[in-house]
Amino acid sequence: GAGVSQSPSNKVTEKGKDVELRCDPISGHTALYWYRQSLGQGLEFLIYFQGNSAPDKSGLPSDRFSAERTGGSVSTLTIQRTQQEDSAVYLCASSSGGLAGAYEQYFGPGTRLTVT
Amino acid sequence: GNSVTQMEGPVTLSEEAFLTINCTYTATGYPSLFWYVQYPGEGLQLLLKATKADDKGSNKGFEATYRKETTSFHLEKGSVQVSDSAVYFCALIALRQGAQKLVFGQGTRLTINP
Repeated sequence: GAGVSQSPSNKVTEKGKDVELRCDPISGHTALYWYRQSLGQGLEFLIYFQGNSAPDKSGLPSDRFSAERTGGSVSTLTIQRTQQEDSAVYLCASSSGGLAGAYEQYFGPGTRLTVT
Repeated sequence: GNSVTQMEGPVTLSEEAFLTINCTYTATGYPSLFWYVQYPGEGLQLLLKATKADDKGSNKGFEATYRKETTSFHLEKGSVQVSDSAVYFCALIALRQGAQKLVFGQGTRLTINP
C-alpha cells in the first residue's frame, strides 16, 4: 500500500517568506508526527496529532511554526517569516497510534527546505 | 528527560567485518527501543525494535537486545555488506509516560568498503 507522502520534496525560499509543507499519512493511521532533521540539531520532534485530541506542540521551536491536521488525515506545517536557521529536512511520520504494538512510526521521504 | 546517546561516527569497515554500534539511553518508566536506518537518498526506515527488557529485535541480519541493567540497545551484525552503508539512528519512545514522540540519538554514519 501507499506509504507516507510529503510535498514538495524540495523547497527553496527567501528569508522572510512563509512556506507550507504537506504530509499525507498512511490511510487509517490516526497518529501523525512532524520532525526536523538538521546538521546541527539532529532529529527533533516538532508536533504530534492523535485523532481529535489537542496536538502536542511541545517541540515547536518558535511561534513562527504552526501545524494543522484537517479531517484527521492530511497535515500542513506552516513556517512564517522563514529564517536561515529553519533550513532542514522536515519529516512526517504516521502510526496506528494508541494500541499495543501499534506505535511504530512510518516516515515519509521528507521535504528539504532551504532558506536563502 | 529522556535521551539517547549513540556511538559517534563515522564508522568505516570492510565487507564481511563484524559491526557493533553502541547505544545507551536515559528514560523514566519503560521505554520501547528502536533502530532506524537511512540509506543514501532515502527516508528513515524502521530496522528493528524491542519493547521490554531482554527482548531481542532482529531484521536483515541485524540484532539488538534490550538491556535494562545497562540501559543499552547496541546494534550488531555478524558480516556487513556494502549495501549496509547508511546512517543508523537509535531511538526510544516512553509510551507509559504518555509521550508518543521518538527521541533519537545523533546518528552513526556507516560506510562499508568492498
